[in-house]
Amino acid sequence: GENVEQHPSTLSVQEGDSAVIKCTYSDSASNYFPWYKQELGKRPQLIIDIRSNVGEKKDQRIAVTLNKTAKHFSLHITETQPEDSAVYFCAAWGFKTIFGAGTRLFVKA
Amino acid sequence: GAVVSQHPSRVICKSGTSVKIECRSLDFQATTMFWYRQFPKKSLMLMATSNEGSKATYEQGVEKDKFLINHASLTLSTLTVTSAHPEDSSFYICSAREGADNSPLHFGNGTRLTVT
Repeated sequence: GENVEQHPSTLSVQEGDSAVIKCTYSDSASNYFPWYKQELGKRPQLIIDIRSNVGEKKDQRIAVTLNKTAKHFSLHITETQPEDSAVYFCAAWGFKTIFGAGTRLFVKA
Repeated sequence: GAVVSQHPSRVICKSGTSVKIECRSLDFQATTMFWYRQFPKKSLMLMATSNEGSKATYEQGVEKDKFLINHASLTLSTLTVTSAHPEDSSFYICSAREGADNSPLHFGNGTRLTVT
């Protein structure tokens, strides 16, 4: 069935450094790729998304890239801050939304 | 923006009892809502898709009679955990889309269920 693989599972960076999280999806029909940030005990919050007709999208310190040929998309966070520490989930939507396993990001001050 | 309200946020119940969780779209209509279960430090596992006016679509491995879903109106879906057992203890989250199928999901705050 459909699958989304997300790496790494844990990522620790120094404040000010960049963080990159990568996802690979299996359903070639997927055409919408959101990223969610979830803080402990809270709801996932959409932080950025990209559709299949776009290769890159940026919103301030956050950017997402999409390679449809490789079925690969990535989240890039620049100038990381301690408040960026959370769990990040990628997702791919084809017939339904499939979530990656999540990446726990730690930003050390 | 679109708001999804989920209630209750926490519930503790005894084994064998049933618990109902409500999910409401406050400022938009949702013909489809989704129910997820999330284990500690794990991803969101889709349990079922709730369809207004028709039966829910359950994912493989999810017991229909155990997790009853009712989508009574365009703004309300309920998940009832029947005959709860300690292994049903988990974080349950609902979500809904405001627009087209490939539009963002808006999540409720989640319900932490503890079965004693």
